[in-house]
Amino acid sequence: GESVGLHLPTLSVQEGDNSIINCAYSNSASDYFIWYKQESGKGPQFIIDIRSNMDKRQGQRVTVLLNKTVKHLSLQIAATQPGDSAVYFCAENDRGGGADGLTFGKGTHLIIQP
Amino acid sequence: ETGVTQSPTHLIKTRGQQVTLRCSSQSGHNTVSWYQQALGQGPQFIFQYYREEENGRGNFPPRFSGLQFPNYSSELNVNALELDDSALYLCASSFSGVNSPLHFGNGTRLTVT
Repeated sequence: GESVGLHLPTLSVQEGDNSIINCAYSNSASDYFIWYKQESGKGPQFIIDIRSNMDKRQGQRVTVLLNKTVKHLSLQIAATQPGDSAVYFCAENDRGGGADGLTFGKGTHLIIQP
Repeated sequence: ETGVTQSPTHLIKTRGQQVTLRCSSQSGHNTVSWYQQALGQGPQFIFQYYREEENGRGNFPPRFSGLQFPNYSSELNVNALELDDSALYLCASSFSGVNSPLHFGNGTRLTVT
């Protein structure tokens, strides 16, 4: 299948600042997008998801933006905290989240500076 | 609510051997998926089970096989292990509805020597 990629392997932000993690995808048939956070030694933890019929969705301190025109997805984290340090993956699926499985990007390592 | 649990957490095998990894789904979930995550990479989809049958598969050879049991727990079996099979194997469960995200366990770290 087509791949999902991330623009930057590492992102360093100051504690308290907002973080923006970007993701590009190439499969125009993708209709479901999801962000995961993975801490060292743990499995991916669900953050937020969005379907292609939406362009924005908000959660607690997080917002996901979807731009289908340019096939771009972003995750915004407000008031970044030390506990936000992790690798962040975007993933997509083009069958409504169904049996083809999620296609993951390589991940962005978010580092929080004190 | 019990999350996804996997066993064992770590495993070392020799090339050519066979391995079985186990997973208990999150309560209320009826679909289970397995992913392989190589070091420094994102997870790659192996296959998915629903109603005890495989209903989706990624680009993995037949020596990767699985089972789902009536209680929605699952096994991943890998035969004829190769060095490149060394990875973190992640199990994820979900409810079969299209708006249900995957919830992952913490994985089994497999090392093949």
